[in-house]
Amino acid sequence: DSGVTQTPKHLITATGQRVTLRCSPRSGDLSVYWYQQSLDQGLQFLIQYYNGEERAKGNILERFSAQQFPDLHSELNLSSLELGDSALYFCASSVGLGREETQYFGPGTRLLVL
Amino acid sequence: AQSVSQHNHHVILSEAASLELGCNYSYGGTVNLFWYVQYPGQHLQLLLKYFSGDPLVKGIKGFEAEFIKSKFSFNLRKPSVQWSDTAEYFCAVNGGTGRRALTFGSGTRLQVQP
Repeated sequence: DSGVTQTPKHLITATGQRVTLRCSPRSGDLSVYWYQQSLDQGLQFLIQYYNGEERAKGNILERFSAQQFPDLHSELNLSSLELGDSALYFCASSVGLGREETQYFGPGTRLLVL
Repeated sequence: AQSVSQHNHHVILSEAASLELGCNYSYGGTVNLFWYVQYPGQHLQLLLKYFSGDPLVKGIKGFEAEFIKSKFSFNLRKPSVQWSDTAEYFCAVNGGTGRRALTFGSGTRLQVQP
């Protein structure tokens, strides 16, 4: 158990819908990262937040957005869902922004878009 | 941009065989290197990491990796695999220009036969 929690574990929805994935970082961690794991794209970085502010963006679609709240939990919002958005979405957390930091991953949310 | 190559996509070994999984990255600056393991149906777990210092790093469960800067490589090794090592292994890199998000290789699926 890494100490990072994600809900829900599984999500089944239809095309065109909107969903919200939630992540709680390890106690004391200020940085949260979102990654997408799919069969065709592998593991890809989506977005990073640090202490409530967006720090870096990766291959995140405009239909996707995220935020980090004052209690440091983060939410990833996926809208106008398409079949290709079906994937495993991981959240990871680390202490801060230091050069030598380790990211710890949550159990992931498996999203299936029908 | 950083990239990571894992040349072995699927490896099948018998128990007690030795393991070496290749990982090469493309980036000329200072990097941090990681190996993560994903057991079937589970989240990514950190096996080992390299930030600086001794290029031979030891991780959990008897795994080790060697950083060879001149070859841009960070190969994972284990002298004697067990059936319980069956999993997918991901090499990842971050660092340079302040980027903290991980860039992952495509993964190597290891199947250990009893």
